Formats: sequence, structure tokens, C-alpha cells
Amino acid sequence: GQQLNQSPQSMFIQEGEDVSMNCTSSSIFNTWLWYKQDPGEGPVLLIALYKAGELTSNGRLTAQFGITRKDSFLNISASIPSDVGIYFCAGRDTGFQKLVFGTGTRLLVSP
Amino acid sequence: DGGITQSPKYLFRKEGQNVTLSCEQNLNHDAMYWYRQDPGQGLRLIYYSQIVNDFQKGDIAEGYSVSREKKESFPLTVTSAQKNPTAFYLCASSSQGATRGYTFGSGTRLTVV
Repeated sequence: GQQLNQSPQSMFIQEGEDVSMNCTSSSIFNTWLWYKQDPGEGPVLLIALYKAGELTSNGRLTAQFGITRKDSFLNISASIPSDVGIYFCAGRDTGFQKLVFGTGTRLLVSP
Repeated sequence: DGGITQSPKYLFRKEGQNVTLSCEQNLNHDAMYWYRQDPGQGLRLIYYSQIVNDFQKGDIAEGYSVSREKKESFPLTVTSAQKNPTAFYLCASSSQGATRGYTFGSGTRLTVV
């Protein structure tokens, strides 16, 4: 099945640093979503984007819906240890009305 | 509060035994999904159901079976035909069309010994 290309695959950063990750697709999506998965838990929705060019923030998190509708970006500012986890992007496939998930970015934060 | 519940959190089974994982939601969602996640890997779709009494195979359905007799419930059976069943299993639900994304359960970690 289709998976979105997400990069980087993993990141190891110092507390206080900013983080950027992105997700690209060969298909156009009408909705982009970003999830965070804590170790041993299910993914939790962080941000949902519904319009090309849209920029949305949730606390220290900012996500953007790419103009081409084939990509999305997530930025985390001033990282803290509890930001540790796996971040997944997801695009909504309007044809099948299901989500297509990215391969995930594993984030590790050193105190 | 509405949510989606998976049980049990941890499950151990002997090789060759079938095992059923429970998934219940009270969000009034029409669609439900089962994913498998292996260590360091992404999410792979096993089965999904968009309406009661109907379900479709996902990308890795071999060795698994499901039922959708009630809107709230979507149990997954891992059969003895699944060659490598040890994994983390995630259930999710969504409104029809998934316009607001999926709500995930907290997962079941299955270990087959």
C-alpha cells in the first residue's frame, strides 16, 4: 500500500532546539494531519490542515499544508524531553476516504 | 467521555493458537480500522470497515480475520496462519469519510512464544 515519504527518519537533538520534519506525496491530498505516538501508546492527533497554504499552530507546534497539496511540514520550537516519540504525517485520500500515513520520524530529545 | 478502547494491553499466546483482540468505540463513528506496527516501523493496514456488516482487506490481511456485527465493535482475530504475529496492534475509528482523521486506541502488544 501507499506510504508517504517522511523525513528525516530519526532525529536526536538537545533540549531547547527547534525541529523540522516534512512529508511528501506523489498524490494530491485535501487534508493533511500530524500525529504523535508516545512509546507504547496509540498516535494522537496534533494538527489538522484543510486548505492549501494553511499554516496552523498548536502551542509550540506549527504545521503547514503545502501549496502543491503534495507536501506538509511540521515544526516544533524549543523542544522539551516530553516531545520524544514518533511523529506521523497523514494525508486523506478522497477517493478511498481513508488516511495514508507517512513512514514516521522518531524524535529523541536529550535533556 | 467518548473514546476507543483496546483490550488487553498485553497479550501472550503460544504459537499455533488463534487469539482475538478487542476494539470498542463509543464515538458513534461509522468506520473502524486495524493496523499493525513492528518495532521502528510505520503503520500497516490490516482490515477496515466503513459500515456495519461490511469490511475490506488492507495491505497485510493474510492470517487475520475480522467481524463487524455492531457499530461499536471491530474485533481482530490473529490466526495460526499468520507467520509472524508478534507485533503492536492499533485500532482506530473515524466518521464516514475520515474528514477529521482517525482516533486511535492505546494498542495491544501481542507476543507469541
